[in-house]
Amino acid sequence: DTAVSQTPKYLVTQMGNDKSIKCEQNLGHDTMYWYKQDSKKFLKIMFSYNNKELIINETVPNRFSPKSPDKAHLNLHINSLELGDSAVYFCASSQFIGPYEQYFGPGTRLTVT
Amino acid sequence: KNQVEQSPQSLIILEGKNCTLQCNYTVSPFSNLRWYKQDTGRGPVSLTIMTFSENTKSNGRYTATLDADTKQSSLHITASQLSDSASYICVVSANRGSTLGRLYFGRGTQLTVWP
Repeated sequence: DTAVSQTPKYLVTQMGNDKSIKCEQNLGHDTMYWYKQDSKKFLKIMFSYNNKELIINETVPNRFSPKSPDKAHLNLHINSLELGDSAVYFCASSQFIGPYEQYFGPGTRLTVT
Repeated sequence: KNQVEQSPQSLIILEGKNCTLQCNYTVSPFSNLRWYKQDTGRGPVSLTIMTFSENTKSNGRYTATLDADTKQSSLHITASQLSDSASYICVVSANRGSTLGRLYFGRGTQLTVWP
């Protein structure tokens, strides 16, 4: 199936731990994104990469570090997890940078205890 | 400041009824406006996308309108079904400079359809 996939779907961990979320798209898109959706369902962009190059970096704590080994993958690594990091994280991709349709993954629900 | 405001925050209707969701935005320069449907536990899925020159677009029982002058959009759902229960998110895209490729999200309208 052509899609945006994320792993894991659920992640429960303790404060202070380091964790990673993986994202892959097989749509042949150049641009990938990470979004955070809080408990009030508000989606907010965190990062965007175009052809492995960082384009958008919102005011996200530097504990969050995206890594793009190739343009089909954009992984999110989080150091020293905090309670406030609990949220659903969505990966998305679009054909190119700009006002193009974005396709979202199924989300990763992160719970920090 | 680029913002997208949606109303109502939540809405309950009976199956078979119609409803209209509203979206106001201040995003500039405007590129396009999209309506997404997000089912519980899933990622958002695009319903419609409209550019500046389009003032209406339909996708089955979903019809979106856009008034670029007043910066307002609406999503009309006809003959609602139980499967329409979801969050509907208005998303506006900017098209220039540092905002290129950035989407501005509304907080969504949570629609519940009762049998």
